[in-house]
Amino acid sequence: DAKTTQPNSMESNEEEPVHLPCNHSTISGTDYIHWYRQLPSQGPEYVIHGLTSNVNNRMASLAIAEDRKSSTLILHRATLRDAAVYYCILRDVNFGNEKLTFGTGTRLTIIP
Amino acid sequence: EAGVAQSPRYKIIEKRQSVAFWCNPISGHATLYWYQQILGQGPKLLIQFQNNGVVDDSQLPKDRFSAERLKGVDSTLKIQPAKLEDSAVYLCASSSNVPGTGTYEQYFGPGTRLTVT
Repeated sequence: DAKTTQPNSMESNEEEPVHLPCNHSTISGTDYIHWYRQLPSQGPEYVIHGLTSNVNNRMASLAIAEDRKSSTLILHRATLRDAAVYYCILRDVNFGNEKLTFGTGTRLTIIP
Repeated sequence: EAGVAQSPRYKIIEKRQSVAFWCNPISGHATLYWYQQILGQGPKLLIQFQNNGVVDDSQLPKDRFSAERLKGVDSTLKIQPAKLEDSAVYLCASSSNVPGTGTYEQYFGPGTRLTVT
């Protein structure tokens, strides 16, 4: 799987938007970009995924650069419950065994 | 919809002892995964089952770890004998992936925290 690079940690104020960056300069044309997050003492949970176009769901938005070498997860209005480790993961749709390869992620701290 | 169930939630054992973890995936999910998460790191895949067959066990330390998924539903992960470096959280996940589309998600259980002393 192609590698991703994320900042180790970020801080944001409560009720403000948060932009979590991810670099994936070696992404291939068949790699999907997935985001998962892990709240304290819980297993990871799916947040969003995309291929080329920007995506929105009830949890977040995913903005994908035109060259697909980077992406940004956007939390529109952070709450204390959004404090978690966020993982950006590439998955090859043609790989066949569907596994996720996690890095160390970005630890997001929300300041009240 | 019930989530992925795991037990026990916590386990403390001495090195060289054996331990087993149990996972019940979401009903109808054909694919089941076991991950190991060492403190400060992201989860690492140990083994992946499709129904009751093994798809990927390339990172499973087969000299001490074993896993099975009888009847394609529940699964158990065993460590025998345990080492100090096996201290970690063991996560089970399941998915109803549509092969070749990339449009799936994995659902994780709460994990089992293992401490080996």
